[in-house]
Amino acid sequence: DADVTQTPRNRITKTGKRIMLECSQTKGHDRMYWYRQDPGLGLRLIYYSFDVKDINKGEISDGYSVSRQAQAKFSLSLESAIPNQTALYFCATSVGAGRTGELFFGEGSRLTVL
Amino acid sequence: KQEVTQIPAALSVPEGENLVLNCSFTDSAIYNLQWFRQDPGKGLTSLLLIQSSQREQTSGRLNASLDKSSGRSTLYIAASQPGDSATYLCAAYSGGGADGLTFGKGTHLIIQP
Repeated sequence: DADVTQTPRNRITKTGKRIMLECSQTKGHDRMYWYRQDPGLGLRLIYYSFDVKDINKGEISDGYSVSRQAQAKFSLSLESAIPNQTALYFCATSVGAGRTGELFFGEGSRLTVL
Repeated sequence: KQEVTQIPAALSVPEGENLVLNCSFTDSAIYNLQWFRQDPGKGLTSLLLIQSSQREQTSGRLNASLDKSSGRSTLYIAASQPGDSATYLCAAYSGGGADGLTFGKGTHLIIQP
C-alpha cells in the first residue's frame, strides 16, 4: 500500500460544483502539503500544514480551502469549481524541524472541470 | 525570488549511455536540493536529497552533485536503461517555510532501446 494515498484518483465535474480531494498518510509525518501541476507551469503550492493546528496559504490558495482532520489526513476543497482549476493535484508529506526535509508525494488526483 | 531552471526540457539518448541532467538556481542560499522522478500521470518519487553542507549523494546508478557557489546541481545517470525514461525534476529549498521550496519544470528523458 502507498504511504501517501489520494482519493479520488480521477474526477470529472462541472463548473460550480463543490469538490473535495482527500489525502491520508501512514508515514507518521507532521507536515503535509497540497500542490497542483499544470503543463508548462510546473508544481505550485496551494496550502500546507505543519501540524494539526497549523494551516498556511501557499502561492495559489485563492479558490481553495483545506482541512487537517488529523495528523494523517489533509483534505483540499474547491468550493465552486471553475475550468481553470483543471489540473493534476498532489498531496505530499515531509518530516523536518525548522527546515524542509525530504518530500514524499501521493500518486495524484486528476481533476477536470467542465 | 528563487528561480529554478532545468535545461534541456527534453532529452533522448540510446540505452547504455551515461548522461547528466542539469538544474540551476538563482539564489545560492539554499538549505537543500532534491531530485525527483515522475512517470506519466504519476506522483513524484524522491531520488536524492542533498543538504547544503554536502557536495554529492549517490544511490545505485544515480549521483547528484551540488555546487552552491555556481548555483548548479547535476544528476548523473550511469548506464542508462529504458526503465529510466521519465521526467526528472529538481527542487531547491531556500527557507522560510514550505513557500521556500521552488521546483524546476523538469527534463523529460527518453532512453531508446
